[in-house]
Amino acid sequence: LAKTTQPISMDSYEGQEVNITCSHNNIATNDYITWYQQFPSQGPRFIIQGYKTKVTNEVASLFIPADRKSSTLSLPRVSLSDTAVYYCLVGVSYNTDKLIFGTGTRLQVFP
Amino acid sequence: DTGVSQDPRHKITKRGQNVTFRCDPISEHNRLYWYRQTLGQGPEFLTYFQNEAQLEKSRLLSDRFSAERPKGSFSTLEIQRTEQGDSAMYLCASRPDRSTDTQYFGPGTRLTVL
Repeated sequence: LAKTTQPISMDSYEGQEVNITCSHNNIATNDYITWYQQFPSQGPRFIIQGYKTKVTNEVASLFIPADRKSSTLSLPRVSLSDTAVYYCLVGVSYNTDKLIFGTGTRLQVFP
Repeated sequence: DTGVSQDPRHKITKRGQNVTFRCDPISEHNRLYWYRQTLGQGPEFLTYFQNEAQLEKSRLLSDRFSAERPKGSFSTLEIQRTEQGDSAMYLCASRPDRSTDTQYFGPGTRLTVL
């Protein structure tokens, strides 16, 4: 499984766009990139998944360059409620049974 | 509320005691998963069920741990002779069999072993 590297923590202010980058140099051809969000005292929640180029949903956008060795989760106009830990997972698709999480990026949004 | 539920939400026990946690998955979700999460770390996979059958167990699941899903609905995770290192958040997740659905996590049970 591809190893992922993401910043341990990031700070932002309300209303700003936040970009969290994940490095996955050893990503395999069949691997997908998936992001989860976890609030304190809650289980992780699926945010977005992609294979290449750009994916957008109502919560976030995911940018994946052509070499797929990294990916960037973009959160537009964050609010205080976006304060959470964000996990980048590689090697999973929607129906993978064994999710492997790293340590994630702790995002703190300030007023 | 039709999400995954877990009971209890918090459990404090003394070292050496046995504890049991319950997970109720989303209705009609065939697959059920248990994860463990320690402070500052991401969740770690423990085991999963498809209906009643336990299909995979992590090496993290020592002999003191046992998980069951007797009727293919709710599941229990028991820890015998708890140790301080067992202190963690125990998360349950579920999903249906169809290939396009992700795992839905419950709120977790936080275990503290004194």
